[in-house]
Amino acid sequence: NAGVTQTPKFQVLKTGQSMTLQCAQDMNHNSMYWYRQDPGMGLRLIYYSASEGTTDKGEVPNGYNVSRLNKREFSLRLESAAPSQTSVYFCASRGAGAEEQYFGPGTRLTVT
Amino acid sequence: GENVEQHPSTLSVQEGDSAVIKCTYSDSASNYFPWYKQELGKGPQLIIDIRSNVGEKKDQRIAVTLNKTAKHFSLHITETQPEDSAVYFCAASNTGFQKLVFGTGTRLLVSP
Repeated sequence: NAGVTQTPKFQVLKTGQSMTLQCAQDMNHNSMYWYRQDPGMGLRLIYYSASEGTTDKGEVPNGYNVSRLNKREFSLRLESAAPSQTSVYFCASRGAGAEEQYFGPGTRLTVT
Repeated sequence: GENVEQHPSTLSVQEGDSAVIKCTYSDSASNYFPWYKQELGKGPQLIIDIRSNVGEKKDQRIAVTLNKTAKHFSLHITETQPEDSAVYFCAASNTGFQKLVFGTGTRLLVSP
């Protein structure tokens, strides 16, 4: 039981390049989330998916797109990376009727 | 929308001392208040949570108190140990637990 896994762990992009961050959970959770973590700003919600087939914007969605590929997988795409998107990205999941969110280990992204 | 403020941003204590971290929230409809611990290079992990119908909750050396009238809640760690050193985040939720709004984090350093 791996919990929430994220790939890659580290990534360096040049401005304008695109990439997709992958997230998968093996806990049969309905809800999945993408956050970014910046120094002094805590965790901010980018997008979330309350259930398979649905996605909604969070606090900071601009510049990102998401896909809930199936119940296990929730990907985050940067179409044209900008230096302001340099951050640590965390994926999380939550079971139906439960409160706790389980977080992955994070992806550290640097955009130069 | 909900806004969560957290203080202090850094806290240094000696081993064996107590540590207190405080958070305030703005939305009186919030009814779930978790605390997460994040160790270096890892994702946040839930350590304790409290619902709005409870004033205090304890789990061994950790306790959380909630004052609904004043809209603030606090994390108390007694008999601190070096392994308590980490970043701690408070959060609040008011939408059927779908979305959490996080505070900006407190870096706790426990010196031997």
